Amino acid sequence: EAAVTQSPRNKVAVTGGKVTLSCNQTNNHNNMYWYRQDTGHGLRLIHYSYGAGSTEKGDIPDGYKASRPSQENFSLILELATPSQTSVYFCASGDANWGGGQDTQYFGPGTRLLVL
Amino acid sequence: GDSVTQTEGQVTVSESKSLIINCTYSATSIAYPNLFWYVRYPGEGLQLLLKVITAGQKGSSRGFEATYNKETTSFHLQKASVQESDSAVYYCALRPNSGTYQRFGTGTKLQVVP
Repeated sequence: EAAVTQSPRNKVAVTGGKVTLSCNQTNNHNNMYWYRQDTGHGLRLIHYSYGAGSTEKGDIPDGYKASRPSQENFSLILELATPSQTSVYFCASGDANWGGGQDTQYFGPGTRLLVL
Repeated sequence: GDSVTQTEGQVTVSESKSLIINCTYSATSIAYPNLFWYVRYPGEGLQLLLKVITAGQKGSSRGFEATYNKETTSFHLQKASVQESDSAVYYCALRPNSGTYQRFGTGTKLQVVP
């Protein structure tokens, strides 16, 4: 049973359109993360959350919003999509505590987004 | 800031040969971060391969191993004999103890050929 799922798996959007990427986890983890993966850049953190109702900015938050309405769900929102946001997006969950010593992250399969 | 460097974008190895994928780290917020290797098989998300949270220790999984070397700030991934099923992208990652997020390297694509 996949513990972190993402939808859609593939998305084509138009410049200026709104895009919502969804993530669901059944791990009961407090923390959730959104990354994007681009060639030559590795995974870069966009937004993360410590629990329902919380969102925090990661390293590259500009142009993105996040929403965590429940423990299980974490969405990434592109209000005005641009071609530079064409990428593969990964969601992850984890249960590290602030100041804790360990954190394994569990990833979804990724969403391929193409903005034309 | 904290960062991870993987110098090889792609590595091709013949089946049954040995493998080393290089990873070095820089941690400014904490002297001894937690270190991880993740693997991504085609069509799947990243999954944890191994992790080490104590400097000087070795982690191992599925025949892979990596030693946390604080002197050289390295965490190279090694395997004595690779198989075709090991073909995947491997990511080195760092987690400073001051945060819950992780920093990832650019990934190394391993292709194992017969």
